[in-house]
Amino acid sequence: EDQVTQSPEALRLQEGESSSLNCSYTVSGLRGLFWYRQDPGKGPEFLFTLYSAGEEKEKERLKATLTKKESFLHITAPKPEDSATYLCAVPQGGSEKLVFGKGTKLTVNP
Amino acid sequence: GAGVSQSPSNKVTEKGKDVELRCDPISGHTALYWYRQSLGQGLEFLIYFQGNSAPDKSGLPSDRFSAERTGGSVSTLTIQRTQQEDSAVYLCASSETSTVGYTFGSGTRLTVV
Repeated sequence: EDQVTQSPEALRLQEGESSSLNCSYTVSGLRGLFWYRQDPGKGPEFLFTLYSAGEEKEKERLKATLTKKESFLHITAPKPEDSATYLCAVPQGGSEKLVFGKGTKLTVNP
Repeated sequence: GAGVSQSPSNKVTEKGKDVELRCDPISGHTALYWYRQSLGQGLEFLIYFQGNSAPDKSGLPSDRFSAERTGGSVSTLTIQRTQQEDSAVYLCASSETSTVGYTFGSGTRLTVV
């Protein structure tokens, strides 16, 4: 069964303290790995799609990387506005539906 | 519209009543998805519509749940005889033709009392 596991469940950082979030997956025939950001009371907001091992994508203070078994979301010098829940997801099997991890709740303190 | 619109944003209903949740996707997006997000749980796939193809209903948890999409645009998710375990945030998303760039709405928070 396709699975996505995110760690840690929650992470508290001080402003400027860099760290990484992990997303490990088991899926037959990866057709992309997706990162989303979700703020309280809102729907997830698309961040990145990664398709192959070794691929990297960046957006402001965020950089996503992909290996054959996991993806990392690196946050460099975070700011309080980066506080959110970060979700990763993979397409299930040959379908278009996404399997989501439970997310990492990131809190950045000023 | 500019984004995916869902209504109502909040719904409180009594156990046993039926509810309808509405999703208005981005114009031109042929794919539409419904997910459910319960407290402490990940997003759970419910149903997927793609153009005129038969919907993928494999995620619907029981026959109390149904959804339709009229004219390839607006979708309605109906829950009959609601139960307390149906309480969750119901999220709708749309995309052009693939999972790249799913755009989610803000969801409907359903509370069954």
